[in-house]
Amino acid sequence: ETGVTQTPRHLVMGMTNKKSLKCEQHLGHNAMYWYKQSAKKPLELMFVYSLEERVENNSVPSRFSPECPNSSHLFLHLHTLQPEDSALYLCASSQDWEQGLAADTQYFGPGTRLTVL
Amino acid sequence: GQNIDQPTEMTATEGAIVQINCTYQTSGFNGLFWYQQHAGEAPTFLSYNVLDGLEEKGRFSSFLSRSKGYSYLLLKELQMKDSASYLCAVEGQENTDKLIFGTGTRLQVFP
Repeated sequence: ETGVTQTPRHLVMGMTNKKSLKCEQHLGHNAMYWYKQSAKKPLELMFVYSLEERVENNSVPSRFSPECPNSSHLFLHLHTLQPEDSALYLCASSQDWEQGLAADTQYFGPGTRLTVL
Repeated sequence: GQNIDQPTEMTATEGAIVQINCTYQTSGFNGLFWYQQHAGEAPTFLSYNVLDGLEEKGRFSSFLSRSKGYSYLLLKELQMKDSASYLCAVEGQENTDKLIFGTGTRLQVFP
């Protein structure tokens, strides 16, 4: 257990569905991240939130919509996804996000395995 | 551009030593992480190198050469539970905490 939980662990959805992924961290961290992990590809950073404000958006399509209501919770809202969006979606948190300083260690959740039909 | 290279797969025998290499070409460098990821589980932090040299932590050690853009993860006295993917990640741009990951090296340990 890393102190970061994600639900659901598995999700199958059609292209017209709307669903949400949830991440919760119990570590008292101030920064949270969404990553996409596809087979045989590197982890891709999608979004970063620091103190509930989005500080990074890596050109992610608008069909992915993040939400960070407080420093412990992070959501990823999904709508009209494509089959190529099928992947493992990982949430991570770290103590802080501060430009100009060395990266804080990120702690990952177990991920949500998403399949888009 | 940003590029992290590591072997796709490696195999080794229980009790042996294995070295997983990672080379990188990135714009700027602030540090290098190694993560372990068992199938279906979260990546877990193993090590962080920012200065040249070897960092030892039990059976695992990580080495960094900034001038060569090179790191390796050394696993000693291999155990079956060490079968996992090992991810190399570089904080590659100055003034950002963004991590750039390699594709990972899948290590299989055989008895």
